[in-house]
Amino acid sequence: SQQGEEDPQALSIQEGENATMNCSYKTSINNLQWYRQNSGRGLVHLILIRSNEREKHSGRLRVTLDTSKKSSSLLITASRAADTASYFCATDSAGANNLFFGTGTRLTVIP
Amino acid sequence: DTGVSQDPRHKITKRGQNVTFRCDPISEHNRLYWYRQTLGQGPEFLTYFQNEAQLEKSRLLSDRFSAERPKGSFSTLEIQRTEQGDSAMYLCASSLQGAIEKLFFGSGTQLSVL
Repeated sequence: SQQGEEDPQALSIQEGENATMNCSYKTSINNLQWYRQNSGRGLVHLILIRSNEREKHSGRLRVTLDTSKKSSSLLITASRAADTASYFCATDSAGANNLFFGTGTRLTVIP
Repeated sequence: DTGVSQDPRHKITKRGQNVTFRCDPISEHNRLYWYRQTLGQGPEFLTYFQNEAQLEKSRLLSDRFSAERPKGSFSTLEIQRTEQGDSAMYLCASSLQGAIEKLFFGSGTQLSVL
């Protein structure tokens, strides 16, 4: 079974708008990461947030983490058509040596 | 190209046949992971290696699945007696030791079992 679930499953927005995706997970974590996957390709690491952090920024990306609610959100500001992809959260736990991925949010940015 | 390389990109096989996939990680990465991804789902962890040692294999889907990394460089994933339910994308990733924090993925092998 997978650790996380993303919400919404699919999101369609106009270019220039902001996109927000949410991730919920089940157990205590060390780190939470977000990955992006273009159709038919491998995943690309976007950003990592540690369990003792609450917010992190990288370019147009903003990630928040609420460990009390076991949830995270990814905000992409000023979206571009090239941001069209699936986005996955992934978590690792103490003593674990692998990542558990969520079910993903499929983002479509309309030019 | 210094990224993770997987071969073949696509594989079509008949039910009951054996298939083998290859993964070449980034050269300085000593950790190598295999994941499976079905349509509309996130990657599902299968197994991982640190150098040539397979440190976690309890999540391999059945005894028909096996993986090797004989010299601590490239890895192979074999599926014996394939079933239609094995149809999926098989992804390989690598990382530096202690760096579960960031995995580098290959483009995957798409398996179709007819």
